Amino acid sequence: EVQLVESGGGLVQPGGSLRLSCAASGFTFSSYWMHWVRQAPGKGLVWVSRINSDGSSTSYADSVKGRFTISRDNAKNTLYLQMNSLRAEDTAVYYCARDHLYYDILTGYPGTRAFDYWGQGTLVTVSS
Amino acid sequence: DIQMTQSPSSLSASVGDRVTITCQASQDISNYLNWYQQKPGKAPKLLIYDASNLETGVPSRFSGSGSGTDFTFTISSLQPEDIATYYCQQYDNLPLFGQGTKLEIK
Repeated sequence: EVQLVESGGGLVQPGGSLRLSCAASGFTFSSYWMHWVRQAPGKGLVWVSRINSDGSSTSYADSVKGRFTISRDNAKNTLYLQMNSLRAEDTAVYYCARDHLYYDILTGYPGTRAFDYWGQGTLVTVSS
Repeated sequence: DIQMTQSPSSLSASVGDRVTITCQASQDISNYLNWYQQKPGKAPKLLIYDASNLETGVPSRFSGSGSGTDFTFTISSLQPEDIATYYCQQYDNLPLFGQGTKLEIK
């Protein structure tokens, strides 16, 4: 059974730092791209960051670029999000999600990517 | 940058009703469009990928259609357990979610 379990959330002061972890099990972690997605209280889903399967390529939303760093340890089956210079607007539930590449049934060509498994989320609150 | 416009933002319908949600992309994204369901306090769940393909285990009353810039998500006969917020997501290069549609029972 695929499982993603986030941890590391909590209350932090503005300007502070926090590191989130996402422990993966039930699949070959090193074969999959992974993402962080956040959701502010009462708001919609916002993509935060992506890392490819071996960690050599990363991407970020403009709102977190230069402050957040995504990384992974494939030996430990764990995804991380290092969050620095935190702001009140970073307050949210943070989800990790697995990226799955789907192939066209008829042609066999690669189709879209989608987030097929999600963790339960961890709450980050930035407040003084 | 690609923009996604999802509508309506909220919707009230009766059990058994046919429900439709639309999502429009600001540029052609082929069929790189997914739909998710999120129930209160829970993580999102993938329902539809590649605009029209049902994820394994998802009931057949859910469907999706469209390509290019205009996409539609349909629940053919609304059930009480379908109460949730639904999001479209384009994933042409970097993923981007629509604003969400909160579905309530009338």
